Amino acid sequence: GQQVMQIPQYQHVQEGEDFTTYCNSSTTLSNIQWYKQRPGGHPVFLIQLVKSGEVKKQKRLTFQFGEAKKNSSLHITATQTTDVGTYFCAGRRGNTPLVFGKGTRLSVIA
Amino acid sequence: NAGVTQTPKFQVLKTGQSMTLQCAQDMNHEYMSWYRQDPGMGLRLIHYSVGAGITDQGEVPNGYNVSRSTTEDFPLRLLSAAPSQTSVYFCASRGTAPYEQYFGPGTRLTVT
Repeated sequence: GQQVMQIPQYQHVQEGEDFTTYCNSSTTLSNIQWYKQRPGGHPVFLIQLVKSGEVKKQKRLTFQFGEAKKNSSLHITATQTTDVGTYFCAGRRGNTPLVFGKGTRLSVIA
Repeated sequence: NAGVTQTPKFQVLKTGQSMTLQCAQDMNHEYMSWYRQDPGMGLRLIHYSVGAGITDQGEVPNGYNVSRSTTEDFPLRLLSAAPSQTSVYFCASRGTAPYEQYFGPGTRLTVT
């Protein structure tokens, strides 16, 4: 079945450093979504990417969808303590349910 | 607008007991789903529903039943709890484009 792999599993950064998490699918995706889960909280939708090569920005966050629509990345510039949490990618192929990656847990050291 | 609500927040069961986790949404979403989250495993789909009266299995359906008699409610039943079902359970509903999923606050279940 469809698999979505996410790396790294953990990332510890100093406040102000950049952070990137990568997502790779075993199959071509129709779209990919990104979610953030704060410690003790529930996943919250960040963004959806649909087009090949798409790049979207939300303030310090930059999301990319690969040309082959099999990989994606989330980059955070100049991390802040408010960025702490686990970031999940989730991919869908056609009308099938979303498949979530295992997430990247980000710790920010002030 | 309460969004997605789940009850209870916490539950402790003994092996073999049964229980129902409740989920409700007030956004008139057709699509609802149940996930379990275990450390290092991400979110795994248990069951989902594309509308009232229609349900389907996800990745890890064994030991769980669902039904969808109304658009608003999507309860998850554990038939005979096992320690392997100790987990955090999230219910989610999905709207129209961009089809983002709205998650409930979760139920933390421990089976002893």
